[in-house]
Amino acid sequence: QSVLTQPPSVSGAPGQTVTISCTGSSSNIGAPYDVHWYQQLPGTVPKLLIYGDINRPSGAPDRFSGSRSDTSASLAITGLQPEDEADYYCQSFDSSLRGYVFGGGTKLTVL
Amino acid sequence: QVQLQESGPGLVKSSETLSLTCTVSGGSIRDYYWTWIRQPPGKGLEWIGYIYYSGSTNYNPSLKSRVTMSVDTSRNQFSLKLNSVTAADTAVYYCASQPHDTNWFDPWGQGTLVTVSS
Repeated sequence: QSVLTQPPSVSGAPGQTVTISCTGSSSNIGAPYDVHWYQQLPGTVPKLLIYGDINRPSGAPDRFSGSRSDTSASLAITGLQPEDEADYYCQSFDSSLRGYVFGGGTKLTVL
Repeated sequence: QVQLQESGPGLVKSSETLSLTCTVSGGSIRDYYWTWIRQPPGKGLEWIGYIYYSGSTNYNPSLKSRVTMSVDTSRNQFSLKLNSVTAADTAVYYCASQPHDTNWFDPWGQGTLVTVSS
């Protein structure tokens, strides 16, 4: 069971907006430690998608945005495209564990 | 940007020690923290731990008793050893870099699948 909780799956049609939640606690997201998001396309290496809650690395489409509030964070994907179909993971630091933690991952299906 | 490449045996016998090396190119090993992350087949990501070029380490408490990380600055390499492995340690093992003063991992190596056989 992951320290950060994500829904196992979400889906949406092309062009729609989907959000993926990441729920933590006062020892990680609520501490507050930054939340980062990774995208893992099928059969590939996880890739940093959002860092520091809201920032996109160079090359990440602006259709992806991050937010954080209290002990939760969210990843929003607007204008959904077929190539967005992937697994998405949130990640933060946990002061109780004194280490880094990941969410269990969310599989995004583009209908 | 730095590039990372994992190397090591793809098959390890149960109860033995898993050993992997990550070679860093395109940058100095002194410029980042160096992390190991694993992903069992069909499952999520698990942080194993990190090492700094000075040798300081931080391990996942759930694996701490079995993990040893080391760094070789002359070869721009860092390594992972996980002892007393079981089938539950079968996973793709990734090395990744963590920029100074950050809590994220970027970039990652291509990953290497390690299977523990009985």
